[in-house]
Amino acid sequence: EVQLVQSGAEVKKPGESLRISCQGSGYTFRTYWIAWVRQTPGKGLEWMGIILPADSDTRYSPSFQGQVTISADESASAAYLQWSSLKASDSGMYFCARMYLGIFTTWGQGTLVTVSS
Amino acid sequence: EIVLTQSPGTLSLSPGERATLSCRASETVRGNFLAWHQQKPGQAPRLLIYGASTRATGIPDRFTGSGSGTDFTLTISRLEPEDFAVYYCQDYSSSPQGFTFGPGTRVDIK
Repeated sequence: EVQLVQSGAEVKKPGESLRISCQGSGYTFRTYWIAWVRQTPGKGLEWMGIILPADSDTRYSPSFQGQVTISADESASAAYLQWSSLKASDSGMYFCARMYLGIFTTWGQGTLVTVSS
Repeated sequence: EIVLTQSPGTLSLSPGERATLSCRASETVRGNFLAWHQQKPGQAPRLLIYGASTRATGIPDRFTGSGSGTDFTLTISRLEPEDFAVYYCQDYSSSPQGFTFGPGTRVDIK
């Protein structure tokens, strides 16, 4: 069974760094793109970027370029979403999803990030 | 960038009724690369339909996707209690450079 399991909820202060993870199982992790999607009450679902673990080819949404870093560790079957300096506006639910031919076929359970002083 | 508009915002129906959800794109969705996802409270989205009309694995046949170009429809023929959720359309015609979600339609129990 294809599964994506994400790391647990985080509570951080503005200015802190954070990395959340998404671990895949049940398939050849390296050959499928992984997407990151943010969900907030105000903006709904927003695509942030995608990465192909096999070669770390990464594409970012213009809205998130420079704001986050997406990476992957093929040996760990994991993808990561990282912030170097969090802002309150980074609060939200973050999902990873496995992508096949552009289709988001399988979603992780989500990681809630709360940034508050 | 394609903008997706979904209507209605909320649909209040009873179990057993038919639900018709609309998704309109600001320009033609190339290849009808349009997907529908279902999200229940506290859960991740789940893929229902891709390619505008192909059901994903394990999706019951009461879910039907249709449409082309700029106008797409998701029809739930007879609502089951587990179908009350939020439904999002998604354009993936610009993959891998971009993906767009609609704002969602909430299907509530009347």
